[in-house]
Amino acid sequence: SQKIEQNSEALNIQEGKTATLTCNYTNYSPAYLQWYRQDPGRGPVFLLLIRENEKEKRKERLKVTFDTTLKQSLFHITASQPADSATYLCALDRSNYKLTFGKGTLLTVNP
Amino acid sequence: DVKVTQSSRYLVKRTGEKVFLECVQDMDHENMFWYRQDPGLGLRLIYFSYDVKMKEKGDIPEGYSVSREKKERFSLILESASTNQTSMYLCASSFFSVTSGTYEQYFGPGTRLTVT
Repeated sequence: SQKIEQNSEALNIQEGKTATLTCNYTNYSPAYLQWYRQDPGRGPVFLLLIRENEKEKRKERLKVTFDTTLKQSLFHITASQPADSATYLCALDRSNYKLTFGKGTLLTVNP
Repeated sequence: DVKVTQSSRYLVKRTGEKVFLECVQDMDHENMFWYRQDPGLGLRLIYFSYDVKMKEKGDIPEGYSVSREKKERFSLILESASTNQTSMYLCASSFFSVTSGTYEQYFGPGTRLTVT
């Protein structure tokens, strides 16, 4: 069956460093992969999308890579700030409508 | 801005009660979804709807039903609440983004349901 895994449940880094979060998947060939941010007590918020034919996507301090050979996406936050502390979810498309979400990685950026 | 609202942020119900969770979106989106989110299990799809009166089961539909009589409103119904349905329930809607060429989901704030 299709599986999506985010390798770390939690990641702690120092302010100013680059945070790197990993998303792996198996038994699937998604057309695209999405990343969401979720703050405590709130619903996820869409951040970035990368297509299967794109190697890299950037948005301000965020960068996403997509390696369909490794079946892996990396999500980077450069010059991290305490305000970046949140849970980050990756999601794969299952159809035009549906997504499968990973369990998320809780990122804590320490001042 | 897209707005997805849910009727309650917190809800406490007793075992056996019939529970209604309401979700409203104001952007004329075709697709709407209900998820539950539990620690260690992540977001799991309960039901979704791709049009008025149309619905499909998600991954964990047992014990739930849904209703979509109007495009903007999608209701989740727990026919007879049980303690294992204590969870955070999230509603989402989606549309086809011309910019990204795909569907992006917009989530409501969630309803934390406790069944005692």
